[in-house]
Amino acid sequence: SQQGEEDPQALSIQEGENATMNCSYKTSINNLQWYRQNSGRGLVHLILIRSNEREKHSGRLRVTLDTSKKSSSLLITASRAADTASYFCATDYLYGNNRLAFGKGNQVVVIP
Amino acid sequence: ETGVTQSPTHLIKTRGQQVTLRCSSQSGHNTVSWYQQALGQGPQFIFQYYREEENGRGNFPPRFSGLQFPNYSSELNVNALELDDSALYLCASRGPNSPLHFGNGTRLTVT
Repeated sequence: SQQGEEDPQALSIQEGENATMNCSYKTSINNLQWYRQNSGRGLVHLILIRSNEREKHSGRLRVTLDTSKKSSSLLITASRAADTASYFCATDYLYGNNRLAFGKGNQVVVIP
Repeated sequence: ETGVTQSPTHLIKTRGQQVTLRCSSQSGHNTVSWYQQALGQGPQFIFQYYREEENGRGNFPPRFSGLQFPNYSSELNVNALELDDSALYLCASRGPNSPLHFGNGTRLTVT
């Protein structure tokens, strides 16, 4: 079964607005990662947050992790049309030998 | 550019046939993983290889098998293809303490 589940599934926003996606998971993790996928192509790694971290920034990306609630959020600030993609969270869970469990993904459309 | 290349990009097979998908990883990436992504879903872990040995497997039947070679290339083999095997197959590799680098995948259609 899938570890991560993103919410909401689809998001449509205007360029310049912020986009927020949430992810929940079920078991203890080593880290949680966010990936982006354009039009069914390969996934691109965006950011990794370790289980002992609460917040992490990378450029226009901000990720939070709440291990007590087993949830994470990804915020994209000042969105651009090029941010249009599907976004997946993936958990590297304890004793999983570095295998990743992906959620179903969020489709984000940024309207120019 | 992730440095991970997969071939072919698209493939059409008939139910019952066998297929081999190929992946070439970055030099130094000793770990390679394969994922299956059905349409509209997230990738599902198939298996992982480290230094040519399988060291992790997801909930896939034995007709899914793999190989990893010393030159950082790998293969995914699927026997007795079923219609539900139609999906995007993703290869990913990584070095020590690094995130996964994905290829662009092979789109397999089984008719």
